[in-house]
Amino acid sequence: EAAVTQSPRNKVTVTGGNVTLSCRQTNSHNYMYWYRQDTGHGLRLIHYSYGAGNLQIGDVPDGYKATRTTQEDFFLLLELASPSQTSLYFCASSGQGETEVFFGKGTRLTVV
Amino acid sequence: QQQVRQSPQSLTVWEGETAILNCSYENSAFDYFPWYQQFPGEGPALLISILSVSNKKEDGRFTIFFNKREKKLSLHIADSQPGDSATYFCAASAEGGSAKLIFGEGTKLTVSS
Repeated sequence: EAAVTQSPRNKVTVTGGNVTLSCRQTNSHNYMYWYRQDTGHGLRLIHYSYGAGNLQIGDVPDGYKATRTTQEDFFLLLELASPSQTSLYFCASSGQGETEVFFGKGTRLTVV
Repeated sequence: QQQVRQSPQSLTVWEGETAILNCSYENSAFDYFPWYQQFPGEGPALLISILSVSNKKEDGRFTIFFNKREKKLSLHIADSQPGDSATYFCAASAEGGSAKLIFGEGTKLTVSS
């Protein structure tokens, strides 16, 4: 079964702080995604990647950077965290030409 | 703007009833429509999906009805069970697959016994 592992599962940081969310998938998938989930908005795509070294901008990229260091690892960076970035973040992966997206269990980030 | 909209926001049905969850979209280029199911503390998981060339897709108790002309679809859950209580997300893609899925706001379903 597909496995997407996120860390940490919970994080609290202060406004202006620096945060890195990590994601690893062990499915040899080409595509990886970062979404944020907020009540009333569903899941919104922040950044995604087609492979190591590749980065594509999603629908809500402002305030976020991402880096895909290997086929397995995708990181989301918040360099100056703001309270508006308090959210539940999901990493996901899918195979090229495949339709199913596999999600991790999420990281709950609180910016105080 | 929300390209994929869902209604209702929340729905309560009795065990054994059919739950109907609605979804509409704006972009005529969307051609792939998955529904994802999410339990508390978990990530969403694919439940069932349909391509725009079809008007109906069944998988056990779950059925998608799709109306391309009206840009609407619905998920019917027959013989609802308490274990079906979850949040359901309608999504859409213009690329025939998983890349760049656009999600709706979700419908929280509660099945009472």
